Amino acid sequence: AQSVTQPDIHITVSEGASLELRCNYSYGATPYLFWYVQSPGQGLQLLLKYFSGDTLVQGIKGFEAEFKRSQSSFNLRKPSVHWSDAAEYFCASGGNTGKLIFGQGTTLQVKP
Amino acid sequence: GAGVSQSPSNKVTEKGKDVELRCDPISGHTALYWYRQRLGQGLEFLIYFQGNSAPDKSGLPSDRFSAERTGESVSTLTIQRTQQEDSAVYLCASSSTGVWPQHFGDGTRLSIL
Repeated sequence: AQSVTQPDIHITVSEGASLELRCNYSYGATPYLFWYVQSPGQGLQLLLKYFSGDTLVQGIKGFEAEFKRSQSSFNLRKPSVHWSDAAEYFCASGGNTGKLIFGQGTTLQVKP
Repeated sequence: GAGVSQSPSNKVTEKGKDVELRCDPISGHTALYWYRQRLGQGLEFLIYFQGNSAPDKSGLPSDRFSAERTGESVSTLTIQRTQQEDSAVYLCASSSTGVWPQHFGDGTRLSIL
């Protein structure tokens, strides 16, 4: 069955430090992969998506993610974190049906 | 507005009552999705509409849950005889032709007393 795992429930980084949030997926074929961010009381905002092609994808707010088929991973990265990046981050995968399968989410805390 | 609109933003009701949650998708978006987010958890898929038909309703947790959509417009998620475990944020998303990407509303926070 299709599944998404985010191994880190909570991550704390210092402002200005680099960030990597992990995501592993389980799917028979190459899935469509997404990262969403959710601020408290808000809906989800799409950061970036991978469908095919170049395995390094650029998103909004300076985020990028790399698809690695051999590791079934789609980790999210940012070179320098800002305090406004504190939020909850969700990795999701989808097939051809339109159904998104979400990971449990990673809460990012940014220290000043 | 230009985004997905959900109402009400918050709903508190007593156990056993029925509730209706509304979603207005982005204009022109043919696909509409409902998800549920329980406290501290990821999102669970509930149902998917393409136009006013629902090709995938596999995520509806019980027959107390139902949803309908009028054309390619508003959708209503109805929960009958609410239970405390129904407390969650219910999120709606829509997308244009094809199914990706999905644009989310801010959700309805449902609390069952």
